[in-house]
Amino acid sequence: DTEVTQTPKHLVMGMTNKKSLKCEQHMGHRAMYWYKQKAKKPPELMFVYSYEKLSINESVPSRFSPECPNSSLLNLHLHALQPEDSALYLCASSQGDRSGELFFGEGSRLTVL
Amino acid sequence: EDQVTQSPEALRLQEGESSSLNCSYTVSGLRGLFWYRQDPGKGPEFLFTLYSAGEEKEKERLKATLTKKESFLHITAPKPEDSATYLCAFSGAGSYQLTFGKGTKLSVIP
Repeated sequence: DTEVTQTPKHLVMGMTNKKSLKCEQHMGHRAMYWYKQKAKKPPELMFVYSYEKLSINESVPSRFSPECPNSSLLNLHLHALQPEDSALYLCASSQGDRSGELFFGEGSRLTVL
Repeated sequence: EDQVTQSPEALRLQEGESSSLNCSYTVSGLRGLFWYRQDPGKGPEFLFTLYSAGEEKEKERLKATLTKKESFLHITAPKPEDSATYLCAFSGAGSYQLTFGKGTKLSVIP
């Protein structure tokens, strides 16, 4: 079982909705990540938080808004999404933001209608 | 430009038939080469880190090796439960963050 927990596992939303994805880890990791993965493609980095501060934003549209309330929690707020944003959203954590040994959650499958 | 290419895209093996997956890379200042396994609809699972040419790591039926241009994931006597997509990734001098290859989808037939 993964030690990174993501909720919800599945989410269907309309283009005018506002929703949030949540991620939690209790491994004491200081870096947390959001990745986006489309079918048959590799994961693409969206955001990196290090010590609860946003350290990397890979030019992600503002309709995706990350938040790190504390060292164990990571949220991704969604607003006015497009159908092409439908994907598997993966949360990951690591000891530090320079480690390539990431622990991934099982993902949240998002469908935008 | 830093890049990584995995081959083959898909591989079907009979149970017990050993083989290797390839990850070719062009990276200036390689910091680390990483292998992950991903089951359908799940997040990737970390397998190995390799830092320098000549390094090898083993875990059960899997062995990862690294040269200056390639990494191989050798699978010895695979079982159906080894079926998954295997991703390699690197971090280089340009960024500590991982860049993933497109993966090799392995199917092991009983």
